[in-house]
Amino acid sequence: AQSVTQPDIHITVSEGASLELRCNYSYGATPYLFWYVQSPGQGLQLLLKYFSGDTLVQGIKGFEAEFKRSQSSFNLRKPSVHWSDAAEYFCAVTPITGGGNKLTFGTGTQLKVEL
Amino acid sequence: DAGVIQSPRHEVTEMGQEVTLRCKPISGHNSLFWYRQTMMRGLELLIYFNNNVPIDDSGMPEDRFSAKMPNASFSTLKIQPSEPRDSAVYFCASSLGQGEREQYFGPGTRLTVT
Repeated sequence: AQSVTQPDIHITVSEGASLELRCNYSYGATPYLFWYVQSPGQGLQLLLKYFSGDTLVQGIKGFEAEFKRSQSSFNLRKPSVHWSDAAEYFCAVTPITGGGNKLTFGTGTQLKVEL
Repeated sequence: DAGVIQSPRHEVTEMGQEVTLRCKPISGHNSLFWYRQTMMRGLELLIYFNNNVPIDDSGMPEDRFSAKMPNASFSTLKIQPSEPRDSAVYFCASSLGQGEREQYFGPGTRLTVT
């Protein structure tokens, strides 16, 4: 069965520092890949997605993610974190064919930003 | 684009009462998803619809939960009778379905059952 692993439950970074959130997936084939962000009291907002093509994808709010097929990873990065980036981040996958449009979510990484 | 609309945003009810949560998906989207989020269990998919038809309800906790989608622009999630362990945030999401797989989430309904 497919699965998504976000190994870091909590991460704390200083404002202005770089950020990398890890995501690994287990699938029979390369799936579609997504990162979502959830601010306190809010719904999930799509940050970026990877379907095919360039393995480095750009998203909103200055985030980017790199797909590495050999490592089954889709890590999220940001060069300089802002205090407003404090939130919970979810990686999600869905199969390219079949799967019925269901997303499989990771357990999330809570990001804290120190001023 | 108004996004996915959910109502109410907050609901407080007593154990045993019926609760109905409502969702209006983004116009033109033909897939709709209901999720539940708790601290203990994280984000769980309860049920999803394609073209108003329930496709997978394996995540529905038990018979007390039911969901309907009478038309393309409206869905309900009903809990009857409600129990304190149903307290959670319930999200509705929609997607285009074919090709486009990303889901767009509503703001959620925070349910508290006392």
